[in-house]
Amino acid sequence: GDSVTQMEGPVTLSEEAFLTINCTYTATGYPSLFWYVQYPGEGLQLLLKATKADDKGSNKGFEATYRKETTSFHLEKGSVQVSDSAVYFCALSPSDDKIIFGKGTRLHILP
Amino acid sequence: GAVVSQHPSWVICKSGTSVKIECRSLDFQATTMFWYRQFPKQSLMLMATSNEGSKATYEQGVEKDKFLINHASLTLSTLTVTSAHPEDSSFYICSKLTSGGADTQYFGPGTRLTVL
Repeated sequence: GDSVTQMEGPVTLSEEAFLTINCTYTATGYPSLFWYVQYPGEGLQLLLKATKADDKGSNKGFEATYRKETTSFHLEKGSVQVSDSAVYFCALSPSDDKIIFGKGTRLHILP
Repeated sequence: GAVVSQHPSWVICKSGTSVKIECRSLDFQATTMFWYRQFPKQSLMLMATSNEGSKATYEQGVEKDKFLINHASLTLSTLTVTSAHPEDSSFYICSKLTSGGADTQYFGPGTRLTVL
């Protein structure tokens, strides 16, 4: 069945460092891909999305490109801030309203 | 964005008791809500789709009689874990669907259930 695999955490970086969180997926058809973020004490929030191959989703300095050839949707940010500390979930939606999530990657940014 | 609340945020109960978790949409009405379960260091797993005014649709492997879902109004869905056991200890998260499409789901902050 469809699934999402993302890198294990926690990931600890210094402020202003470059961030990459890897995500690969397995799916039949052409799913939409998402990154969600969960800040402490809050619900998951949609960070960015891409609905077809080669689309780039971006928000708050984060970017991810839908790579069909490598079935990947890696999350990147050029310069992280302490406020980016959170848990990040890669996810896909096959064709309906359901979402399949990865296990999440906890990110710690040190000042 | 749309707001979803859950109550309680944390509950501890004895084995054999039942626990009710509420999921409220504080702004928009929600015909459809989802219930997820998350084990430590694991993915969110969809348990069921809650539809206002009708029976919930459960995912394969989820016991309907164990996890009772009621969606009696457009702003409230409840999940009752009946006869809870320690293996039911988990983080339960609800979401609501606003206008269709997976990216219109808005998530609650979650409820941590610990069964002793």
